[in-house]
Formats: sequence, structure tokens, C-alpha cells
Amino acid sequence: DAGVIQSPRHEVTEMGQEVTLRCKPISGHNSLFWYRQTMMRGLELLIYFNNNVPIDDSGMPEDRFSAKMPNASFSTLKIQPSEPRDSAVYFCASSFSGEKNQPQHFGDGTRLSIL
Amino acid sequence: GNSVTQMEGPVTLSEEAFLTINCTYTATGYPSLFWYVQYPGEGLQLLLKATKADDKGSNKGFEATYRKETTSFHLEKGSVQVSDSAVYFCALRGGSNYKLTFGKGTLLTVNP
Repeated sequence: DAGVIQSPRHEVTEMGQEVTLRCKPISGHNSLFWYRQTMMRGLELLIYFNNNVPIDDSGMPEDRFSAKMPNASFSTLKIQPSEPRDSAVYFCASSFSGEKNQPQHFGDGTRLSIL
Repeated sequence: GNSVTQMEGPVTLSEEAFLTINCTYTATGYPSLFWYVQYPGEGLQLLLKATKADDKGSNKGFEATYRKETTSFHLEKGSVQVSDSAVYFCALRGGSNYKLTFGKGTLLTVNP
């Protein structure tokens, strides 16, 4: 079975540019999570969706960050305008929320570098 | 709220040594507990899980037992290999909360 698919795997862009990260969750999963990982701050939950609805976006750092989930098989995380401090690895994860013993399954991440 | 505390690394061991990475948690109710592993350049992978007290999760020679009396879920392996070098995260999911609460991760390096 296909796992969580993220694209692109790597993104290098100049500050001020718009960045869009994409995620396809595992089919049948109804919860989707966006994380950011840096050496300094570790793994941070940015936002999560349940049944395509944003449930908790308290981890989104600023208004420059936005996330959407237009349908059950696709989500985007957008940064506009981007800044060098946004450089990090961004992970998407999905799970089935019906039972608490269900783990989250992670994609391989997008390594973002803002110059 | 929920929280997870795991031993700070880095941990450096020789091949075939015994591994313990401590993890304790705070949660209301009866959470499910997880260990994830992250190899260099990759995402987090589920290593093992336990869903109720006294359950033992195991995978790839790793084990962890859900100890409610000590609110712990320590990761152990009897004989580590160089290929076990990675970052290990303890996590919990509790109640009606969809979120996982992660520890800060422990970097393990195994030398030949």
C-alpha cells in the first residue's frame, strides 16, 4: 500500500517567494497532520485536520502560514511570503481517528531551504 | 495536559550493547503509547505500540512495556546494531484527542 506521499522532497527558494507543500494521505485515513522539524525546536505540530476540517491550528507560527484540505486525499501547506527562518523539514502524517490506538503514518518530508 | 519526557541524548553504544531509552508520561485517562524511529533523511516510522497497561510492544528486537504504576514506557533492545543508529521518539495519544504528544527525541549512535 502507498504510504503518505509528500511533494516536493526538496525545495530551495529565495525569501519572499511563495512556497506550497503538498500531501496525499493514506487512503481511508480521516485525520491529517502537518509538522515542522528543526534542530532548535524539534518536532512541532502546526495544524491538524479531521474529516477535512481544521481542528487545531494553534501551532501555525504566523499568518504567513496557511493550510487547506479541499478533499480527503489532498492537503497543502503554504508559506507566503517565505523567510529564512522557515527553513526546516516539513512532515505530513495521517491516521484514522476512530480509535486512539491508531498510530500516525508519516511521509518522508519536504526539506525546505529559504535563502 | 499530556506530556512526554524522554532521556536526553545523544546515546553512544558499541555494537551488541544493551540499550535502554527511558520515557515517562503524564496523561489523563488511559493513553496509547508509541515509539517512533527516524533514520537520517527520512520521516518518522512507527516502531512499536502498546494500548493498555502491562501490554508489551515489540518489533525488530525492540521492546517496551506499558507501566501505568510508574507512567513509563522505556524502550529496550538486548543487542544493538550499527543499523539501529537513529533518533527515537516516545509518544502518546490520549482520550478523544486526535493529536500525538511527542518527546523531544533521543539520538542513538551505534559504533562497530
